[in-house]
Amino acid sequence: DQQVKQNSPSLSVQEGRISILNCDYTNSMFDYFLWYKKYPAEGPTFLISISSIKDKNEDGRFTVFLNKSAKHLSLHIVPSQPGDSAVYFCAASLSQAGTALIFGKGTTLSVSS
Amino acid sequence: EAGVAQSPRYKIIEKRQSVAFWCNPISGHATLYWYQQILGQGPKLLIQFQNNGVVDDSQLPKDRFSAERLKGVDSTLKIQPAKLEDSAVYLCASSLNAGLAGDTQYFGPGTRLTVL
Repeated sequence: DQQVKQNSPSLSVQEGRISILNCDYTNSMFDYFLWYKKYPAEGPTFLISISSIKDKNEDGRFTVFLNKSAKHLSLHIVPSQPGDSAVYFCAASLSQAGTALIFGKGTTLSVSS
Repeated sequence: EAGVAQSPRYKIIEKRQSVAFWCNPISGHATLYWYQQILGQGPKLLIQFQNNGVVDDSQLPKDRFSAERLKGVDSTLKIQPAKLEDSAVYLCASSLNAGLAGDTQYFGPGTRLTVL
């Protein structure tokens, strides 16, 4: 039973446009959410996070939105750049000591110039 | 600051053989994680250490997998005997504290294991 779902395996966007990556979760106890980016042959790199007490968190070109009632979060990248091409993983956790990250399957973003 | 180091980067073995992976976390990080990432899936936690104690090993197949972090720094993950379905990338991550909110996990490059 997958608790974190990324239903779009891939997304293609033109440089300069907005990229929107979506993530759904089933466990209402999750209260902390993260996005990781992964390039080939490298480990995942932390990108941005959001606590369940917020509905938006912004860091430069990256914004994460959280809709708790819908158990849905999204990552917006504006403007998209070719260097953003990577696999993006959504992850969720409980904000208490000793809990693991539960990852989605990832979405491969391709940004063309 | 040096990142999480892992070795080897690649390993090919035959089924029923044994294999070991090594991880050196970021200096000062108390928490260390081993994840398994099967092709097309997201990483799945195998075991989490807080210093040299195990915090969570609920998803570790203990009949064949073992891990240790004897001095609270480096860690090794062993598989014995390996099965075909163990083919995956094994990722090590570390964080400053025990998975508290806002405690970022930093990942190493991973070890790609192929079991033939």
